Amino acid sequence: QVTLKESGPGILQPSHTLSLTCSFSGFSLSTYGMGVSWIRQPSGKGLEWLASIWWNGNTYNNPSLKSRLTVSKDTSNNQAFLKVTSVDTADTATYYCAHTRFGGIDYWGQGVMVTVSS
Amino acid sequence: DVVMTQTPPSLSVAIGQSVSISCKSSQSLVYSDGKTYLHWLLQSSGRSPKRLIYQVSNLDSGVPDRFSGTGSQKDFTLKISRVEAKDLGVYYCAQTTHFPLTFGSGTKLEIK
Repeated sequence: QVTLKESGPGILQPSHTLSLTCSFSGFSLSTYGMGVSWIRQPSGKGLEWLASIWWNGNTYNNPSLKSRLTVSKDTSNNQAFLKVTSVDTADTATYYCAHTRFGGIDYWGQGVMVTVSS
Repeated sequence: DVVMTQTPPSLSVAIGQSVSISCKSSQSLVYSDGKTYLHWLLQSSGRSPKRLIYQVSNLDSGVPDRFSGTGSQKDFTLKISRVEAKDLGVYYCAQTTHFPLTFGSGTKLEIK
């Protein structure tokens, strides 16, 4: 059974760096074809894919966020990480991590709310 | 980026009726392996999205066969037959053929 759970700071100030952790079970990020994606959703709005990291360490970021995103993983501890630099109020959203395979995104975490406010 | 145009934005339907949701992409979603990576998700109120259908027409485990997906290339449809109260929420189409991955803007299904 695949499960994922996001954790993060809850609230942070503009210009700071957002650090999120995705802790998962039921799969390994060292297994061929496995990946974790990060998606966010501002309150009342749609879904925006941010980045994906794969079993082999390859990463793909959404160009709309330019170079503000960094994804990484800790295979031994079944965790994936997302960092977003220079946050502003537009980064306020619920952030999800999701299990990803070649066929697409299937299982989603419960999401973590992040508020950027001074 | 591939733009996913989803219509209608909202639907109000009586229990037992059928509804269809359209999703059109700005580019073909056929990947080099010949497969089409177009999926349908449901986000119930206050919950995270749940995938219902993958690769156009394949139902995820536990999804009732009242749900069906059809389409090809750039034009896709989700049909829900005999709508039940538990079907309400926001439906999204999503493509994972091209990076960046993109989603439709959602269709809110309400029960009359």
